[in-house]
Amino acid sequence: DGGITQSPKYLFRKEGQNVTLSCEQNLNHDAMYWYRQDPGQGLRLIYYSQIVNDFQKGDIAEGYSVSREKKESFPLTVTSAQKNPTAFYLCASSIDSTTGSSYEQYFGPGTRLTVT
Amino acid sequence: EDKVVQSPLSLVVHEGDTVTLNCSYEVTNFRSLLWYKQEKKAPTFLFMLTSSGIEKKSGRLSSILDKKELFSILNITATQTGDSAVYLCAVRNYGQNFVFGPGTRLSVLP
Repeated sequence: DGGITQSPKYLFRKEGQNVTLSCEQNLNHDAMYWYRQDPGQGLRLIYYSQIVNDFQKGDIAEGYSVSREKKESFPLTVTSAQKNPTAFYLCASSIDSTTGSSYEQYFGPGTRLTVT
Repeated sequence: EDKVVQSPLSLVVHEGDTVTLNCSYEVTNFRSLLWYKQEKKAPTFLFMLTSSGIEKKSGRLSSILDKKELFSILNITATQTGDSAVYLCAVRNYGQNFVFGPGTRLSVLP
């Protein structure tokens, strides 16, 4: 089965701790994305990566870090510097094409992070 | 700054009603507009629109794009309770970013 997996589904952490959210895809997509969704709001882009070993900041990158060592994996670390980390985190991937056809994103099931 | 606006933000209808959801955008280097349905967790893809005036249709759902006026609509006819969800509009630019709107929360009552 092709798709995107995120783990864990629910995560609880104490304030001041770093936490890493996993995102894996077997769709052979080049591009991967991390979004944050707060209640009643749309998706806000944290980081994205178009190719292995390269990534760019999105609109709300402060307090987050990522790595892209393998095409299939794009883990997100929520650091203690993130002031308000409690949220629903969604990972997505798409075929990356700089010219020609545009492609939709496929989303993972999400991780709900609660920091107290 | 790229921006996507959706209206209404919230809508309550009864089964059988027809609804129209709106999405307007200001994006540099527009590439495509996408609609997603989000029920509980992951958004699921509905439509991608790249050309003006060409309606995309899937069952009771349809969508059209106007690139001159910079908006799109999503129509749902004969609504059912299973249509209750948040409908997200996103625009993709040639910088590979997807910019999402806040979503429209649709509630369909029996």
